[in-house]
Amino acid sequence: EDKVVQSPLSLVVHEGDTVTLNCSYEVTNFRSLLWYKQEKKAPTFLFMLTSSGIEKKSGRLSSILDKKELFSILNITATQTGDSAVYLCAVMNYNNAGNMLTFGGGTRLMVKP
Amino acid sequence: NAGVTQTPKFQVLKTGQSMTLQCAQDMNHEYMSWYRQDPGMGLRLIHYSVGAGITDQGEVPNGYNVSRSTTEDFPLRLLSAAPSQTSVYFCASSSFSGSYEQYFGPGTRLTVT
Repeated sequence: EDKVVQSPLSLVVHEGDTVTLNCSYEVTNFRSLLWYKQEKKAPTFLFMLTSSGIEKKSGRLSSILDKKELFSILNITATQTGDSAVYLCAVMNYNNAGNMLTFGGGTRLMVKP
Repeated sequence: NAGVTQTPKFQVLKTGQSMTLQCAQDMNHEYMSWYRQDPGMGLRLIHYSVGAGITDQGEVPNGYNVSRSTTEDFPLRLLSAAPSQTSVYFCASSSFSGSYEQYFGPGTRLTVT
């Protein structure tokens, strides 16, 4: 059974702190790993990672994938209150019918002023 | 270009009633899917489709039916609503070429009493 596990479940930090969110997975026929940010609405796409060791970066957010150890991390530096959200990790794999996306349970981040 | 649209935004049903959640996309995406999101459980895949006329079950398909008669539309039918189906439902679409980024609709909040 395909499985995606995120940790921690929730995190409270102060503005300016750096946070690291974790995502580990066990899936067959891995294709890619995706990170999403969800505020009080639909998830919005952050990154897609396909290759090990190549960091993707967007402003204060960065992410990297380790396909040998089957995990990814999402880093947020100099956090701001606007970073407060649930961060979802999802893994895309391939089966006979095509691509499937399995989501982790999310990490709820709260950034206090 | 409206992206992914879902209707209704909110719905209250009585146990045993049936209804259809509508989802449409105007991006000519091949892949469409339905997720439900329950508190603390991330997104779980209900059904998905890799093209018109092709559908398959996801992780939690029981109690739901889908069909895909056109590329644009992917309705989700609840056959006989149960309180366990109280959830937020998201429809998503993506293209098989390019980044596999999933585009999400705004969600439907369903309450079954």
